[in-house]
Amino acid sequence: GQQLNQSPQSMFIQEGEDVSMNCTSSSIFNTWLWYKQEPGEGPVLLIALYKAGELTSNGRLTAQFGITRKDSFLNISASIPSDVGIYFCAGTGGSEKLVFGKGTKLTVNP
Amino acid sequence: GAVVSQHPSWVICKSGTSVKIECRSLDFQATTMFWYRQFPKQSLMLMATSNEGSKATYEQGVEKDKFLINHASLTLSTLTVTSAHPEDSSFYICSASDARAGSYEQYFGPGTRLTVT
Repeated sequence: GQQLNQSPQSMFIQEGEDVSMNCTSSSIFNTWLWYKQEPGEGPVLLIALYKAGELTSNGRLTAQFGITRKDSFLNISASIPSDVGIYFCAGTGGSEKLVFGKGTKLTVNP
Repeated sequence: GAVVSQHPSWVICKSGTSVKIECRSLDFQATTMFWYRQFPKQSLMLMATSNEGSKATYEQGVEKDKFLINHASLTLSTLTVTSAHPEDSSFYICSASDARAGSYEQYFGPGTRLTVT
């Protein structure tokens, strides 16, 4: 079945630093979604991407839908302590079911 | 917008009993609801997909007689864990989407922590 490779698995950064994480798929996707999950909570949708090459921002977050349609990245600029959490990429090639990455755990040191 | 609630947020039950978890879309109509299970430090594992008014579609390896799903309206789906055992202890999360909106965005509930003793 479809698989998503999400990296890095975890990141430890200082407050104020920029962060970048990415996902690659074994097949072509037509939708990429980025979620953030905090402990004991459900994932929250951050950014949705629908077109190859699309670059979308949500505050300090920027995500791009790769030209090959097999990858996406999420950048967080000027990180703050409340950015801590697990970030998941998810995608689909047309099925209503999403394929999820394994997550990137972000720790921000004040 | 796109708020999904779950109830209860946590539940402790004895082995052999059944537990019902509710998932509601509060400000939109959900043509499709999904039920996930999440183990500690792992990603979400899809258990089943349910469309309003029809039977749920279960993922391979998920026992449909053990995890009963009902999607009776466009705003409510329920998951009943029947004859629960300690190995069913987990974090259960629902999500909802509106296929009529033409997108695959899923909006998640806050999750339900089930502990079976």
